[in-house]
Amino acid sequence: GAGVSQTPSNKVTEKGKYVELRCDPISGHTALYWYRQSLGQGPEFLIYFQGTGAADDSGLPNDRFFAVRPEGSVSTLKIQRTERGDSAVYLCASSFIAGGTDTQYFGPGTRLTVL
Amino acid sequence: EDKVVQSPLSLVVHEGDTVTLNCSYEVTNFRSLLWYKQEKKAPTFLFMLTSSGIEKKSGRLSSILDKKELFSILNITATQTGDSAVYLCAVPYAGNMLTFGGGTRLMVKP
Repeated sequence: GAGVSQTPSNKVTEKGKYVELRCDPISGHTALYWYRQSLGQGPEFLIYFQGTGAADDSGLPNDRFFAVRPEGSVSTLKIQRTERGDSAVYLCASSFIAGGTDTQYFGPGTRLTVL
Repeated sequence: EDKVVQSPLSLVVHEGDTVTLNCSYEVTNFRSLLWYKQEKKAPTFLFMLTSSGIEKKSGRLSSILDKKELFSILNITATQTGDSAVYLCAVPYAGNMLTFGGGTRLMVKP
């Protein structure tokens, strides 16, 4: 079956611009997670959704970052007034339920480059 | 604060060698530990470990958890060039979100 998909695969933007990154989880998965991975580091948690609501957004670095999941499936991560420090790979994962023993499956990520 | 540390940071071996990758953790309310392989961008799931002392095995890869000493190892026997990747270890916290280690970059030379 189809895995987690993310679009675009690469995004180059200029400092100060607005970007949207999209994640389409595995069908039937109710939990969806966003992570950010800088070069040479492990992924860092940003936000997770259980259904349509953001259950925990404690990893969002500041109020320029926002994410939605209006119908409980596709999610969009939105970054306003991008900065060079936002350059990273943004990974999305989904799991059947939210829980410590439920495996998260990752998408291929979006590589964001802010010039 | 939950913490995951992996070692070594990087490793270069030749095909046929056996490697052992280490992951130590400090986490409240431990439930599980996960290993992922990351070749390009997408981490792909390898193992989930919940019980101490029980080895999980998949082909040439195996992993074991020691909940008393708070660590896990990932073994790869008879390495192949296709095993070259970053191997990530992660533990869930607050029940849901994953805390990752920094990864071990493995390069297998022909």
